[in-house]
Amino acid sequence: EPEVTQTPSHQVTQMGQEVILRCVPISNHLYFYWYRQILGQKVEFLVSFYNNEISEKSEIFDDQFSVERPDGSNFTLKIRSTKLEDSAMYFCASRVDLNTGELFFGEGSRLTVL
Amino acid sequence: AQKVTQAQTEISVVEKEDVTLDCVYETRDTTYYLFWYKQPPSGELVFLIRRNSFDEQNEISGRYSWNFQKSTSSFNFTITASQVVDSAVYFCALSPSYNTDKLIFGTGTRLQVFP
Repeated sequence: EPEVTQTPSHQVTQMGQEVILRCVPISNHLYFYWYRQILGQKVEFLVSFYNNEISEKSEIFDDQFSVERPDGSNFTLKIRSTKLEDSAMYFCASRVDLNTGELFFGEGSRLTVL
Repeated sequence: AQKVTQAQTEISVVEKEDVTLDCVYETRDTTYYLFWYKQPPSGELVFLIRRNSFDEQNEISGRYSWNFQKSTSSFNFTITASQVVDSAVYFCALSPSYNTDKLIFGTGTRLQVFP
């Protein structure tokens, strides 16, 4: 069964460092998302991406964050200068279109900022 | 306000018991979607169901069933004859209108099923 894959599964970084989290969405999907989950808390929407541009972003998604789809397969989330409070599980998701039911999530990338 | 409330933080049951996870939502929109996701200890989010706001029919899938009641803004999830493998955190989520495809998640209910 096709799946969304994310790398790395876990990254530890020092505060202030840049981090790039990578995602390979399902190949025929057109809509891409990043969500995050701070440990023990709810999953929060960060950003949606369609047709090579951001379609919606939350207030969490400030200037420290950026997304891009550098080639036909990868979808990346960059955090420019990490803060302690960026420590969380980051989930990538994709769906084929807005009318189908399922939003497929990857297994997540755990980011720990020290 | 657009919000999902899962008032049950944690539920413990013994195998074979039935268990219902509550979900109450708020949205101004008349058209919206409701979801349930399972997050097992391994951490991934597993899609369980999506329900359109116009479809109030209850749904059953094996041991899982969902009760959507628009009048009380609730979308409850029942597991019949629970099993240890059902142990996970379960999230209810709302996609509040046709104008947005983001999901608003509840805080989750941790279900522990003991043998």
